[in-house]
Amino acid sequence: KAGVTQTPRYLIKTRGQQVTLSCSPISGHRSVSWYQQTPGQGLQFLFEYFSETQRNKGNFPGRFSGRQFSNSRSEMNVSTLELGDSALYLCASRPPGQPNEKLFFGSGTQLSVL
Amino acid sequence: AQKVTQAQTEISVVEKEDVTLDCVYETRDTTYYLFWYKQPPSGELVFLIRRNSFDEQNEISGRYSWNFQKSTSSFNFTITASQVVDSAVYFCALSEDWYSSASKIIFGSGTRLSIRP
Repeated sequence: KAGVTQTPRYLIKTRGQQVTLSCSPISGHRSVSWYQQTPGQGLQFLFEYFSETQRNKGNFPGRFSGRQFSNSRSEMNVSTLELGDSALYLCASRPPGQPNEKLFFGSGTQLSVL
Repeated sequence: AQKVTQAQTEISVVEKEDVTLDCVYETRDTTYYLFWYKQPPSGELVFLIRRNSFDEQNEISGRYSWNFQKSTSSFNFTITASQVVDSAVYFCALSEDWYSSASKIIFGSGTRLSIRP
């Protein structure tokens, strides 16, 4: 069974640009969540999608948005990039059924904003 | 508010030594879940264990063991006879028992473990 797939693996953007990151969850997983990892702030929850609906959101500005498609694939968009958005963005999927099941993470997209 | 503290930023030991990673958590909930994840250099977080707040039984899995003590709000992780492949960043994490928040896990800052040959 394929794991969580994130593309691209690396991205370099300049300030002011926008970026879209993609995540394909494990087959059968309908919940997809996104995390931002930085050396200073650590791992922070961005948002979670389930059946194409945003279920939960972390404390990030509106420049960070996401969506989920009917096949459970998810995209995350960051508009008007700032230097502080440089981070590893991790996507995770969760098996259906019980809450608080373990999350399965992808290898992440390393975003560098210059 | 929920909080997870991993006071050890970095630990370096020689192979075959035992090492304990500390984790202290704060929550007002009576029902919660605790996790440990491992992040190797490849980047993805790998699930190690989940424990709910009603299950204080310690667990052993091979060279790994976990000590959960509600009285001290701690969930420590011990690696026995460490190996070079154990080198990674280890995260302790906490989540509430709300379905809507099931994926909103609060992570500690992580402990970078280096095992020297």
